[in-house]
Amino acid sequence: AQTVTQSQPEMSVQEAETVTLSCTYDTSESDYYLFWYKQPPSRQMILVIRQEAYKQQNATENRFSVNFQKAAKSFSLKISDSQLGDAAMYFCAYKYGGSNYKLTFGKGTLLTVNP
Amino acid sequence: DGGITQSPKYLFRKEGQNVTLSCEQNLNHDAMYWYRQDPGQGLRLIYYSQIVNDFQKGDIAEGYSVSREKKESFPLTVTSAQKNPTAFYLCASSIGKDRAYNEQFFGPGTRLTVL
Repeated sequence: AQTVTQSQPEMSVQEAETVTLSCTYDTSESDYYLFWYKQPPSRQMILVIRQEAYKQQNATENRFSVNFQKAAKSFSLKISDSQLGDAAMYFCAYKYGGSNYKLTFGKGTLLTVNP
Repeated sequence: DGGITQSPKYLFRKEGQNVTLSCEQNLNHDAMYWYRQDPGQGLRLIYYSQIVNDFQKGDIAEGYSVSREKKESFPLTVTSAQKNPTAFYLCASSIGKDRAYNEQFFGPGTRLTVL
């Protein structure tokens, strides 16, 4: 069974600084997708960024980028120029490419942004 | 505006009672999902449905039931058989079963408390 591990229950960063959130996953599949979701205090889940496993190039969305290391099964999220609005719980998630149905989530990392 | 609505936002239930959580989407998505979120945990899949009149159990289906009579609606019933139903419940939807990379869009959630 696939598992997703986020080893940092909590992280903090100063406003305007850069922070990296870690995620590792375990799978025997070669076709899969990885996601980072953000859950602010409102508890609305929002997709931050996604990565297709077959793509070697790391995904980037504005201030958010990933470091995808397929051999190491690592998928970290880097947030640059951190803003107060980035404070949230961040979840890493895995989806097998063979079906649409299941996201496997890590337990989350709570990010605090200090002014 | 297109999106997913969940009602009610807060729900209180006495032990031994069944309760139904509503989830409606107007995104014309084929697939819909129910997740449960507990403190310190990621999201866990309860049930999912890829087409109308069809649904499958997720990882923690015991004590829950669903129906999918309409494309837009996927209600979740928490039965008295669910031993620990107090949790935050999230409904999600995605475009279609053949496009595995598609993100899941989430509703705002329902907080269920058993008194």
